[in-house]
Amino acid sequence: SQKIEQNSEALNIQEGKTATLTCNYTNYSPAYLQWYRQDPGRGPVFLLLIRENEKEKRKERLKVTFDTTLKQSLFHITASQPADSATYLCARGNQGGKLIFGQGTELSVKP
Amino acid sequence: DTAVSQTPKYLVTQMGNDKSIKCEQNLGHDTMYWYKQDSKKFLKIMFSYNNKELIINETVPNRFSPKSPDKAHLNLHINSLELGDSAVYFCASSRGWRATYSDYGYTFGSGTRLTVV
Repeated sequence: SQKIEQNSEALNIQEGKTATLTCNYTNYSPAYLQWYRQDPGRGPVFLLLIRENEKEKRKERLKVTFDTTLKQSLFHITASQPADSATYLCARGNQGGKLIFGQGTELSVKP
Repeated sequence: DTAVSQTPKYLVTQMGNDKSIKCEQNLGHDTMYWYKQDSKKFLKIMFSYNNKELIINETVPNRFSPKSPDKAHLNLHINSLELGDSAVYFCASSRGWRATYSDYGYTFGSGTRLTVV
């Protein structure tokens, strides 16, 4: 079955550092991966998408990579701020549009 | 405000009752979804409708019945509620259901926290 796995341990970093979150998938490569941010008591908010044939995508302080050999996507937040503290969700999608989410990684940025 | 809105935000009910959750989007999207988020924060898809037609129906007990009267609304009715149904239910929408629309992502509502006692 298609699975998507994220590090369930919380990530604690210092303000100003780069946060790196990992998303691993099993079986065949998804058509694309999406990253979302979820704050407590709120719904997930879409951040970025990267397609199977793309190696890297950037948006402001965010960078996503897609490594089909390692079956992994990395999500980076540079110059992190306390306001970046949230749970980050990775999701895999196929051509049929079905989106399967990982369990999320909680990020805490300390001032 | 353009958004996905779902009601109620909180729902506390007894086992065996029947309840409904309503969802509306004013984004002009064609596709709507119901997701369930359990206590471990794992988001699992339940149903998806595209332009009022059911396109995804995961392995969900048939006590759960979605209904889409038009493409802007997707409601979820749950019969004979059980303790295990306690979770946060999220409604979401997207421009379309195929991967070609994936650049835009899903827009989620703020969730309905269902507690069955």
